[in-house]
Amino acid sequence: GENVEQHPSTLSVQEGDSAVIKCTYSDSASNYFPWYKQELGKRPQLIIDIRSNVGEKKDQRIAVTLNKTAKHFSLHITETQPEDSAVYFCAASNGASKIIFGSGTRLSIRP
Amino acid sequence: SQTIHQWPATLVQPVGSPLSLECTVEGTSNPNLYWYRQAAGRGLQLLFYSVGIGQISSEVPQNLSASRPQDRQFILSSKKLLLSDSGFYLCAWSRNTGELFFGEGSRLTVL
Repeated sequence: GENVEQHPSTLSVQEGDSAVIKCTYSDSASNYFPWYKQELGKRPQLIIDIRSNVGEKKDQRIAVTLNKTAKHFSLHITETQPEDSAVYFCAASNGASKIIFGSGTRLSIRP
Repeated sequence: SQTIHQWPATLVQPVGSPLSLECTVEGTSNPNLYWYRQAAGRGLQLLFYSVGIGQISSEVPQNLSASRPQDRQFILSSKKLLLSDSGFYLCAWSRNTGELFFGEGSRLTVL
């Protein structure tokens, strides 16, 4: 079955710097790759997603890249702000309703 | 608009006791429904998902079970809880577009 690996598990960056989180997946049939943000005590919420027919997608300070050949995708956050501190999860789906998550990255933004 | 509710929000149960967590979705029909577990400091583990009434896919063989007696109702159960069942349980729904909408979560402590 699908397996999604995510790293690093924790990440600390200076406010204003960029943060990068990387994920790999095992199922070559996967075609949908969302990223979720979970703030402390709250439910995860979708922040950006990408489908296998594109290699990159950007939304303001957040971007996601996908390399289908290597089966990995990454989240890039530029100009980090204190409110970016949270746990981030990548996920992969083969379009058949099953959505598998990575183990999460705890991002801390240093003032 | 669509809403998702799950209950109870917290519960403390002795080892060997039964469990029932309930989740309902309003404002949509025939949603895909999911149960995830989030252990402390870890990722989101897919337990069950359902694409329709009576259709349950199990991802992790264990002493938990799920049922979908109605289109927008998803129930997670156990006949005898184990210590290792402690965690944060999240119900979620999606359309076929892929985005997951999570409930508020149920924190289970097994003593």
